[in-house]
Amino acid sequence: KNQVEQSPQSLIILEGKNCTLQCNYTVSPFSNLRWYKQDTGRGPVSLTIMTFSENTKSNGRYTATLDADTKQSSLHITASQLSDSASYICVVRRGSYIPTFGRGTSLIVHP
Amino acid sequence: KAGVTQTPRYLIKTRGQQVTLSCSPISGHRSVSWYQQTPGQGLQFLFEYFSETQRNKGNFPGRFSGRQFSNSRSEMNVSTLELGDSALYLCASSQDGLDTQYFGPGTRLTVL
Repeated sequence: KNQVEQSPQSLIILEGKNCTLQCNYTVSPFSNLRWYKQDTGRGPVSLTIMTFSENTKSNGRYTATLDADTKQSSLHITASQLSDSASYICVVRRGSYIPTFGRGTSLIVHP
Repeated sequence: KAGVTQTPRYLIKTRGQQVTLSCSPISGHRSVSWYQQTPGQGLQFLFEYFSETQRNKGNFPGRFSGRQFSNSRSEMNVSTLELGDSALYLCASSQDGLDTQYFGPGTRLTVL
């Protein structure tokens, strides 16, 4: 079954700290993997997209990694800010375009 | 460029009714996808339209349908509403469906 599992389900950190979110998938065939940030009351916004041959991609303070062999991805947030408080969703797309979404990790950054 | 717009933003319906949601994609985008988001299931793919044709469909009953017009605007229809249809319905547009998708703010549907 094509699944995307994210951990932890929720995370609370202090402003300025780093954190890492995990995404494991069983989706096959693999086309690409995206990380989205969704603020409360808004639609998701794409942070990074990674294909099979890429293992690291950065977008400012966000760095995503991909291990296609173990089917694992992580999103590392450096020097967190209050505005990082959001839900982070991992999405894996199969070759036929249909995306499979993880349930998301809810991140709260406290001052 | 204007972003993806969805109307209405909020809807309250009763069981058995039907509802139509509208999505206007970013200018030049030909792919429009619809998603349902609930606290229990997260985001789930409903369907994707490209150049007025449904290209992909998720695992939802036939009560959920959609269409896309020649100007790429899309509508989604849900008939015979059930309580479980209460959700945030998101629309996303992209140029070809494989590139970056841009999401609208969503329509919050409540079924009583």
